[in-house]
Amino acid sequence: AQRVTQPEKLLSVFKGAPVELKCNYSYSGSPELFWYVQYSRQRLQLLLRHISRESIKGFTADLNKGETSFHLKKPFAQEEDSAMYYCALSWGVQGAQKLVFGQGTRLTINP
Amino acid sequence: EPEVTQTPSHQVTQMGQEVILRCVPISNHLYFYWYRQILGQKVEFLVSFYNNEISEKSEIFDDQFSVERPDGSNFTLKIRSTKLEDSAMYFCASSRQGHSGNTIYFGEGSWLTVV
Repeated sequence: AQRVTQPEKLLSVFKGAPVELKCNYSYSGSPELFWYVQYSRQRLQLLLRHISRESIKGFTADLNKGETSFHLKKPFAQEEDSAMYYCALSWGVQGAQKLVFGQGTRLTINP
Repeated sequence: EPEVTQTPSHQVTQMGQEVILRCVPISNHLYFYWYRQILGQKVEFLVSFYNNEISEKSEIFDDQFSVERPDGSNFTLKIRSTKLEDSAMYFCASSRQGHSGNTIYFGEGSWLTVV
């Protein structure tokens, strides 16, 4: 069965420190993985997806099929990065795409 | 930038009452979804909708739930007879395409409280 695991519910780091939010997945096919972010009182927003291999707001994530991981990283955390972060796996046939979400990690950046 | 909009942002209803949550997807999108998040739990897929019919639904989406696209812009989720366990944040979402690598855009959510 498809599953996404984010082992840390809460993560707190100081401003300027590196941050890594962990995500592991379980999926028998070729995974399509995403990171969504939810800032306080705002909607879920796409942060990045592995297929585009881009860096958004300084964040990167590399798909590691051997470790079935898609950890989110940023070398120098900023206070505005404080938010809820969700890792998600997309699967399904054409026209019936579904996202399976992890539990989410609440990231707090301390000044 | 176009956004998915949802109304109401918060609704309190009595157990057994019918509730309709409304959504306006992004205008050039063709695929529509509802997800929900019970407090403290994961965001869960409920249903996907394309070409005026349900394309996929989860086991959560039982006969108490229905979706409709009554006109060219709105997409609604109806809960026929609400239960306490239906209390959750309901997210509407839409996407331009329906394949698994496609980006899904979410609304701000409608918080439903059943008392």
